[in-house]
Amino acid sequence: AQKITQTQPGMFVQEKEAVTLDCTYDTSDPSYGLFWYKQPSSGEMIFLIYQGSYDQQNATEGRYSLNFQKARKSANLVISASQLGDSAMYFCAMKRYGNNRLAFGKGNQVVVIP
Amino acid sequence: GAGVSQTPSNKVTEKGKYVELRCDPISGHTALYWYRQSLGQGPEFLIYFQGTGAADDSGLPNDRFFAVRPEGSVSTLKIQRTERGDSAVYLCASSLRLAGGSDTQYFGPGTRLTVL
Repeated sequence: AQKITQTQPGMFVQEKEAVTLDCTYDTSDPSYGLFWYKQPSSGEMIFLIYQGSYDQQNATEGRYSLNFQKARKSANLVISASQLGDSAMYFCAMKRYGNNRLAFGKGNQVVVIP
Repeated sequence: GAGVSQTPSNKVTEKGKYVELRCDPISGHTALYWYRQSLGQGPEFLIYFQGTGAADDSGLPNDRFFAVRPEGSVSTLKIQRTERGDSAVYLCASSLRLAGGSDTQYFGPGTRLTVL
């Protein structure tokens, strides 16, 4: 079974600063995909970024980048130049190739302060 | 284009009642998923449809839960004899069902179910 661990307590970050959200995962499968989603207070899960287990380079998507360390089984999300609208819960998730279900962590709460 | 839509956005019911939650996926997405999110937790997988058939229903907690997708588009999650423990946000997602691991699931806004 896949397990995703997000253990950071709620984080406060100053506007315009960068923040790193930790995610570690546990799987014996060599082929998998890692996803980060944002869930603001409105409740919708918004896809942010994807990293494949065979990707040689770290994924980037605008202000979002993924620090992928395969040997350590970690996939930390970096949000650069934080904005007030970044305040939300952030979920790390994983899916094995050929499988359909996403396994989610418990999430990291981020509050951006002006 | 339009995203995943879910109705109702909120549903309050009494213990023992039957409820139906509806999901309308992104046009052209053949795969549809239901998840349940309890307070303070990440979403948990319930069921996956590929076209009209339930390809994986192993996440359904018990036989009170059932889902259909008769025409391969809209899906309905049905809960019989609701219990207070069923209270949660029910999220629907859809995807193109791409090969490999990059198939991204796009989520709807969810239905918040409260069982009194």
